[in-house]
Amino acid sequence: AQSVSQHNHHVILSEAASLELGCNYSYGGTVNLFWYVQYPGQHLQLLLKYFSGDPLVKGIKGFEAEFIKSKFSFNLRKPSVQWSDTAEYFCAVNTGRRALTFGSGTRLQVQP
Amino acid sequence: DTGVSQNPRHKITKRGQNVTFRCDPISEHNRLYWYRQTLGQGPEFLTYFQNEAQLEKSRLLSDRFSAERPKGSFSTLEIQRTEQGDSAMYLCASSLENITGALYGYTFGSGTRLTVV
Repeated sequence: AQSVSQHNHHVILSEAASLELGCNYSYGGTVNLFWYVQYPGQHLQLLLKYFSGDPLVKGIKGFEAEFIKSKFSFNLRKPSVQWSDTAEYFCAVNTGRRALTFGSGTRLQVQP
Repeated sequence: DTGVSQNPRHKITKRGQNVTFRCDPISEHNRLYWYRQTLGQGPEFLTYFQNEAQLEKSRLLSDRFSAERPKGSFSTLEIQRTEQGDSAMYLCASSLENITGALYGYTFGSGTRLTVV
């Protein structure tokens, strides 16, 4: 069964700090990987996704993620966070024709 | 079509009552998914449809829950005999699966927040 682990539950950073959020999945076969963001009071929005090809994926708002197959990881990064990045971030995986399975999320708080 | 639409936005009901939520997906999407999200947790998969066929149901979907997508367009999720533990945000998403099985445009609605008192 596909599953996702996000080990950082709550991250607090100052503006301009660099961000890396961890995501590990458990599935031995081909996977599709996603990062979603949920701003306070808003619906889930797709930040980026990986299906195949270049393991370094660039998304919206300056975010990127790297797929490392040997580590079963898909960590999200941003070189310099802004106060407006305060939100909850969810990693998700799908395999085959199955629906997305989400991690428990990481709450990011950026202090001005 | 600007996105996935869910109605109502909020629903407060008394324990034991039945409730029904509606989801209108993006029109060209053939897949529709229902998730449940509680505070501090990620969305939990409930069920999904490919056109009008319900292809997968999570074990979270008890006998009190039923979902339909009669014409392969909008979907309804009904909860019978609601319990306080059913209080959550119910999310709908839609996507397009192409002939190779790749998923495109997995888009979420704003959700229906259910409070059972």
